[in-house]
Amino acid sequence: AQSVSQHNHHVILSEAASLELGCNYSYGGTVNLFWYVQYPGQHLQLLLKYFSGDPLVKGIKGFEAEFIKSKFSFNLRKPSVQWSDTAEYFCAALPNTGFQKLVFGTGTRLLVSP
Amino acid sequence: EAGVAQSPRYKIIEKRQSVAFWCNPISGHATLYWYQQILGQGPKLLIQFQNNGVVDDSQLPKDRFSAERLKGVDSTLKIQPAKLEDSAVYLCASSLDRSASGGAGELFFGEGSRLTVL
Repeated sequence: AQSVSQHNHHVILSEAASLELGCNYSYGGTVNLFWYVQYPGQHLQLLLKYFSGDPLVKGIKGFEAEFIKSKFSFNLRKPSVQWSDTAEYFCAALPNTGFQKLVFGTGTRLLVSP
Repeated sequence: EAGVAQSPRYKIIEKRQSVAFWCNPISGHATLYWYQQILGQGPKLLIQFQNNGVVDDSQLPKDRFSAERLKGVDSTLKIQPAKLEDSAVYLCASSLDRSASGGAGELFFGEGSRLTVL
């Protein structure tokens, strides 16, 4: 069955530190990949998405993610985090063939200290 | 543009009671989803509608959960009777995607309805 794994459940960083959140998916075919973010007290919102083409995708607020097909990974990165990046981050995958569900990982809670 | 509206935001009930959640998707969005997010876990799809038809309800506990989408717009999710393990945030989302396969469209989420079952 399709699944998404996020390795870090909690991450604590100081402002200006670099961020990388891991995401791996298990599905042998073509997938669409997403990162969603949930700021404290707010709803889930799309950070970035990959469908095809350039495996390095850029999202809002300086975030980017790289799709590495051989590693089944879609890690999220940001060179320099800000206090306002404190949030929970969810990776999600949607197989691109037939009817499949959008499956979320368990999330990574990021705390950025000022 | 108005987002996905959900109500109530919070609900506390005792086990074996019933509860209903309401969702109004973004205007024009054909696909509507209900997700359950238990504390410490990622959202899990309960049911997906395409217009007013059910596309997938394989993970909906049908002995206690039910959902409908009236006239292909608003939707309600009901739990009857509730169990302790139903304590979670119930998220409604909608998307423009119109294909039966679910496509690759962006999902827009509401703020969720937090249920506590005592």
